[in-house]
Amino acid sequence: DARVTQTPRHKVTEMGQEVTMRCQPILGHNTVFWYRQTMMQGLELLAYFRNRAPLDDSGMPKDRFSAEMPDATLATLKIQPSEPRDSAVYFCASGLVQWYQETQYFGPGTRLLVL
Amino acid sequence: GIQVEQSPPDLILQEGANSTLRCNFSDSVNNLQWFHQNPWGQLINLFYIPSGTKQNGRLSATTVATERYSLLYISSSQTTDSGVYFCAVGFQIQGAQKLVFGQGTRLTINP
Repeated sequence: DARVTQTPRHKVTEMGQEVTMRCQPILGHNTVFWYRQTMMQGLELLAYFRNRAPLDDSGMPKDRFSAEMPDATLATLKIQPSEPRDSAVYFCASGLVQWYQETQYFGPGTRLLVL
Repeated sequence: GIQVEQSPPDLILQEGANSTLRCNFSDSVNNLQWFHQNPWGQLINLFYIPSGTKQNGRLSATTVATERYSLLYISSSQTTDSGVYFCAVGFQIQGAQKLVFGQGTRLTINP
């Protein structure tokens, strides 16, 4: 069955390194979301796209985070430079807006640890 | 911004028991979804329910939008129901639904 895929599933890196996370949304979905989950803050929306166009990235630290959709099958979230406080699980979700309804389907997440 | 409060924060039950999880939200929304995060971290969409009642097997949900709350019912609990249940409310911005999540209810079903 169709599902959102994310790579890598786990990433351990050192402070200052660049981290790139990738997401393949469900084929045919026209919205893509990036979320971050931490124990302290819970699930937070970082950025989202509709038809590949960025709509809102106000949840992201602009100086170090960037999100893009180079094509309809790939969304990327980059952190440069990474910091220990970026350690979290990053989820990608995709959805399809139909009749003003939209259900979001989540990928398995990328568990990031910055040392 | 919109506030989402879930209760109780933790719930421990024996297999076979029924449970009710509550979600209160502070503003009008046009989207409400319930998710289950299993012990492996996977988030699974349970219901899209901005208003009314829906049922799916042992799970059902009711949203009373005018009173700004939603309830998730789990009947005849099984150990596989364990995990964290999130309520997320949303509003539409430029054609996409911006979801705000509650802090979740951690449900533990003991055999």
